[in-house]
Amino acid sequence: TQLLEQSPQFLSIQEGENLTVYCNSSSVFSSLQWYRQEPGEGPVLLVTVVTGGEVKKLKRLTFQFGDARKDSSLHITAAQPGDTGLYLCAGAKGGTSYGKLTFGQGTILTVHP
Amino acid sequence: EPEVTQTPSHQVTQMGQEVILRCVPISNHLYFYWYRQILGQKVEFLVSFYNNEISEKSEIFDDQFSVERPDGSNFTLKIRSTKLEDSAMYFCASSEGGRDLFFGSGTQLSVL
Repeated sequence: TQLLEQSPQFLSIQEGENLTVYCNSSSVFSSLQWYRQEPGEGPVLLVTVVTGGEVKKLKRLTFQFGDARKDSSLHITAAQPGDTGLYLCAGAKGGTSYGKLTFGQGTILTVHP
Repeated sequence: EPEVTQTPSHQVTQMGQEVILRCVPISNHLYFYWYRQILGQKVEFLVSFYNNEISEKSEIFDDQFSVERPDGSNFTLKIRSTKLEDSAMYFCASSEGGRDLFFGSGTQLSVL
């Protein structure tokens, strides 16, 4: 069974601070995705990383896939209250199982004005 | 922007009853999925569906569960005889190429 562990589970910071969320596994994933989920809604895809060492940027969000494709990180620069939410990482084995995602337990981020 | 639509948003049923959860995937997508999230737990994969057949299913997806694409637009999840432990938020997702998934807003199923 592949497991993804996210840390920290909760993060409470002030507006303007930087933060990093980690997603770790002992298993290799062919791709890893980051989602954001609002209460009562489904996960919304932010990014997919597929190559070991890959870095993708989405405005103030930077996503990195570990060289061995076992871990990933999400870094937010100058966090804003609008960044508040649940962030989920999810990994896929690949091949015909691309859509069979293993999710982490999530990081609840609160950004205070 | 195209989106995955799920109905109903909430479903309350008695234990032992059959329920059908409905989903309308994004129109040009070819891969369809059901996931569920029990309160306070991780999002879990149930089943994937491609080319009118199940391509993969998890251990959770036992004989009580079935999926169907009855026409060109709908994708359904049926639970034949619901149990208390089936209470969860059920998410439908679709994908064009099988990798980037787009999720619906979910159906909150409560089994009493």
